[in-house]
Amino acid sequence: QKEVEQDPGPLSVPEGAIVSLNCTYSNSAFQYFMWYRQYSRKGPELLMYTYSSGNKEDGRFTAQVDKSSKYISLFIRDSQPSDSATYLCAMTPNSGNTPLVFGKGTRLSVIA
Amino acid sequence: GAVVSQHPSWVICKSGTSVKIECRSLDFQATTMFWYRQFPKQSLMLMATSNEGSKATYEQGVEKDKFLINHASLTLSTLTVTSAHPEDSSFYICSASPNTGELFFGEGSRLTVL
Repeated sequence: QKEVEQDPGPLSVPEGAIVSLNCTYSNSAFQYFMWYRQYSRKGPELLMYTYSSGNKEDGRFTAQVDKSSKYISLFIRDSQPSDSATYLCAMTPNSGNTPLVFGKGTRLSVIA
Repeated sequence: GAVVSQHPSWVICKSGTSVKIECRSLDFQATTMFWYRQFPKQSLMLMATSNEGSKATYEQGVEKDKFLINHASLTLSTLTVTSAHPEDSSFYICSASPNTGELFFGEGSRLTVL
């Protein structure tokens, strides 16, 4: 079993839909969880950063972490065509200068 | 968020030549930077951890003599792909943390070896 599992998609939704992106993981030591957005031929852009279990909201984005289930989610409300990108989940046991373990990324297309 | 800059954003070179990629933290100091490689439609794979003032730590399977890393200052790390071959063609991305817990990425450097 890989450390981080993420459905690669592609996922196609109409504009305005609520998008749910998910990752599961096996390492119970992970405590810091991140979601990155990556446009084609660009570096990943940090969207959400959460510690331990719980929810975090930022504009149209909500990140959820359920450590008991080893499951994290990213919700995008009122999705826009500009949200079309690959979304990568990432996690690490320690904050700061430790490398991240990434999911494979989910390709999202929001159709106008 | 913090800014990490990479240069060049893309490079094409002949097989057998060496290519240097720079990674700079523009508004913070980074004692540690990370170098990743990403093949098309694949996730990021950690290549090495770059430590300021000391040797880099390479992941298993990454040739340290082929991928030379120099972290000479708190804001600059360089990755040199020596004697590049077509199989080295990839997207190379660096990242660094301003010790807030978050990790920020550069824009990436696309290497094409002919």
